[in-house]
Amino acid sequence: DIQMTQSPSTLSASVGDRVTITCRASQSISNWLAWYQQKPGKAPKVLIYEASNLGTGVPSRFSGSGSGTEFTLTISSLQPDDFATYYCQEYSRFFGQGTKLEIK
Amino acid sequence: EVQLVESGGDLVQPGGSLRLSCAASGFTFGSFWMSWVRQAPGKGLEWVANINQDGSEKSYLDSVRGRFTISRDNAENSVYLQMNSLRVEDTAMYYCARDVFWGQGIMVTVSS
Repeated sequence: DIQMTQSPSTLSASVGDRVTITCRASQSISNWLAWYQQKPGKAPKVLIYEASNLGTGVPSRFSGSGSGTEFTLTISSLQPDDFATYYCQEYSRFFGQGTKLEIK
Repeated sequence: EVQLVESGGDLVQPGGSLRLSCAASGFTFGSFWMSWVRQAPGKGLEWVANINQDGSEKSYLDSVRGRFTISRDNAENSVYLQMNSLRVEDTAMYYCARDVFWGQGIMVTVSS
């Protein structure tokens, strides 16, 4: 099985900050990676698919990059609505452990 | 618009069985792999099982293999998860998914 390692597990930041979350795969997954945002009590929402493609209706401050085993999700300027938990997923199975983005 | 609607969740005793259903619409159902994903209360996301387009290939999380069975009916645009020998640790919100599209989830609670 492929292991997905996501870091950090918790991230404290302020509105306007630029933040980056990293996801590493235990073996190459090409660009078959998605990033999700989840808020309490809600289903996950896709932000990025195929490593770098923006999901429908997702603000352009979100971006994804990487291929093979190393991937990043970047939020260029944090907005109040962005404080949530973020997950990476190797299509369509294994997930990272999640990153909780908190207000500093 | 892709829509996935789960049903069948309930409170069940340990050792019991439950069958989840997912009704799909808005896409050519028979052309896509389908998955079930779960999330225990306060925990992260966990892939449970997936099935290929014609049902000939299935994969399972190690902890559910032999207890859970995924299946599909392409004529009914539906995917199912038969869950037997349920354990307390199977308590979770269960989501049906196609690629990056997810349903809203259905709660399964295993408790005596």
